[in-house]
Amino acid sequence: QVQLMESGGGLVKPGGSLRLSCAASGFTFSAYHMTWIRQAPGKGLEWVSYISSTSNYINYADSVKGRFTISRDNAKNSVYLQMDSLRGADTAVYYCAKSERGVIPAAIESWGQGTLVTVSS
Amino acid sequence: QFVLTQSPSASASLGASVKLTCTLSSGHSSYAIAWHQKQPGKGPRFLMKVKNDGSHIKGDGIPHRFSASSSGAERYLIISSLQSDDEAEYYCQAWGTGIQVFGGGTKLTVL
Repeated sequence: QVQLMESGGGLVKPGGSLRLSCAASGFTFSAYHMTWIRQAPGKGLEWVSYISSTSNYINYADSVKGRFTISRDNAKNSVYLQMDSLRGADTAVYYCAKSERGVIPAAIESWGQGTLVTVSS
Repeated sequence: QFVLTQSPSASASLGASVKLTCTLSSGHSSYAIAWHQKQPGKGPRFLMKVKNDGSHIKGDGIPHRFSASSSGAERYLIISSLQSDDEAEYYCQAWGTGIQVFGGGTKLTVL
């Protein structure tokens, strides 16, 4: 079955950087668009970024544009989120998600378990 | 602006039914949405995708107790025969114009 395993979270100081990874299995990774979503403590879900199956289409939420970079390696069945210039407001659990095939953006149909990012001095 | 509106909370008794609502903003009333369940300490779970005609496609293993419908700009998630395990936050998600959006979520309490 579909498995998405995030890693790379942790404690980082404001202004610092962190790189999240998501290892995918159980499906043909190269055929699916992928998305990062986050949930800050006590808040709802917030879309962060998506990347198309061929990396041709990428977009970011305004809150992270210019600071975060999404990428993928279809040979390694992995998607990444490089987070720079981190702020306290970026503190959240970050989820990797698989979108349905076809148009992008699209419905999310599978989620990972999440990795916690804490930005604090 | 592309916005999804959900009531912050809902409650219903064990064994009863509940209908949760997600309202699409003006100009987006024909859009499909997806419903997701978020239990504390777990990753979210995709429940189903709902089109504007009310047709829906469920995720793998989603029980028959979960269904959906639509009316105008409103998309509904209906849960029947409520169980204690259904107590969770429920989020709607939509996509279009290059972005994805989530509703604020509805916290469902099973009494």
